[in-house]
Amino acid sequence: GENVEQHPSTLSVQEGDSAVIKCTYSDSASNYFPWYKQELGKRPQLIIDIRSNVGEKKDQRIAVTLNKTAKHFSLHITETQPEDSAVYFCAAIPDTGRRALTFGSGTRLQVQP
Amino acid sequence: DSGVTQTPKHLITATGQRVTLRCSPRSGDLSVYWYQQSLDQGLQFLIQYYNGEERAKGNILERFSAQQFPDLHSELNLSSLELGDSALYFCASSVSGPSSYEQYFGPGTRLTVT
Repeated sequence: GENVEQHPSTLSVQEGDSAVIKCTYSDSASNYFPWYKQELGKRPQLIIDIRSNVGEKKDQRIAVTLNKTAKHFSLHITETQPEDSAVYFCAAIPDTGRRALTFGSGTRLQVQP
Repeated sequence: DSGVTQTPKHLITATGQRVTLRCSPRSGDLSVYWYQQSLDQGLQFLIQYYNGEERAKGNILERFSAQQFPDLHSELNLSSLELGDSALYFCASSVSGPSSYEQYFGPGTRLTVT
């Protein structure tokens, strides 16, 4: 089955700096890679996703890049703000009938004002 | 608000008991997924239902079962509860069309087993 590894486990940045979180996956058949943001005690919230036929996707201050050859994808947050502080999870779905998400272990991002 | 609802928000029960968690998907979504989030195991997929039928199973214990009803709401039944079952239980829903992968999560049910 799919295995997703996520690094780093914690990340502290100054407000206004950029943050990068990286994930690798094992199943070369995976073709959908979402990122979720989870605030303490709240639901995971889908913030951006990328399909395997795209190398990069941007949405305002966040972007995701995908390297299918190396089987890794990354989340980039620019001009970080204190409200970006949360736990971020990457995930992958293989291109099979089963659409269950396999999650990485999460990155706790702290943006220092 | 994702449009996915879950009840109850919190549940406190004793070891050996049985509980039922309920989930209503977003309007129009046919698939419901159940995930467990614990401190040591992270977010793990339990089971998926699509239009009333079981579609996929993950790391779901035999003591756990689920079903999806004709109105598409789903229930997760947890029995013979153990301390280690304490966790946040999320359901998510998606349209599950040929090119639709996005899953939207409900607010979760926090289960505490004492």
